[in-house]
Amino acid sequence: SQELEQSPQSLIVQEGKNLTINCTSSKTLYGLYWYKQKYGEGLIFLMMLQKGGEEKSHEKITAKLDEKKQQSSLHITASQPSHAGIYLCGADPSGSARQLTFGSGTQLTVLP
Amino acid sequence: EAGVAQSPRYKIIEKRQSVAFWCNPISGHATLYWYQQILGQGPKLLIQFQNNGVVDDSQLPKDRFSAERLKGVDSTLKIQPAKLEDSAVYLCASSGPGNEQFFGPGTRLTVL
Repeated sequence: SQELEQSPQSLIVQEGKNLTINCTSSKTLYGLYWYKQKYGEGLIFLMMLQKGGEEKSHEKITAKLDEKKQQSSLHITASQPSHAGIYLCGADPSGSARQLTFGSGTQLTVLP
Repeated sequence: EAGVAQSPRYKIIEKRQSVAFWCNPISGHATLYWYQQILGQGPKLLIQFQNNGVVDDSQLPKDRFSAERLKGVDSTLKIQPAKLEDSAVYLCASSGPGNEQFFGPGTRLTVL
């Protein structure tokens, strides 16, 4: 079965700083999804990456899927307190069933 | 467009009691998922429905968990009897023609 490892597990940054969260898969990624979760709430979809080398941006968040399609990174530029939460990467194990396997998440705290 | 609705938001029960959760997906979404998220972990898929049929329930503890989606719209997830280790957030998600999954706010279950 596919396993996703996220690093770091937690991150505390000062407002305005840049940061990167990594997601490494034990198998080839057919689709990689990034979600954000506030404590005790549901998941909010951020971005989906499918092609090796693909990079997508939304506001100050950029996600990239490496060429070998086994690692993805999420980069936040000039972090704000509103970026705080848990970031989860999810992968489609087969590319066809539309099921997701999730990493354990990265807890981000942004200090004002 | 209304999102995925779940109820109740919170539930506290004693072990060996029964509990049921309800989910109403986004209108027109054929695929519905139930996930279990234990504190500090990523969501784990319990069951996936396509319309009113089960696509995958391989990770559903069938001795105590059951789920149904009789008319291909709303779904209920039941636990009978509950154990302490069932304490978690139960997330419902739905997806339409695309691969993006939309999540509800979740139901936080505490088993005492």
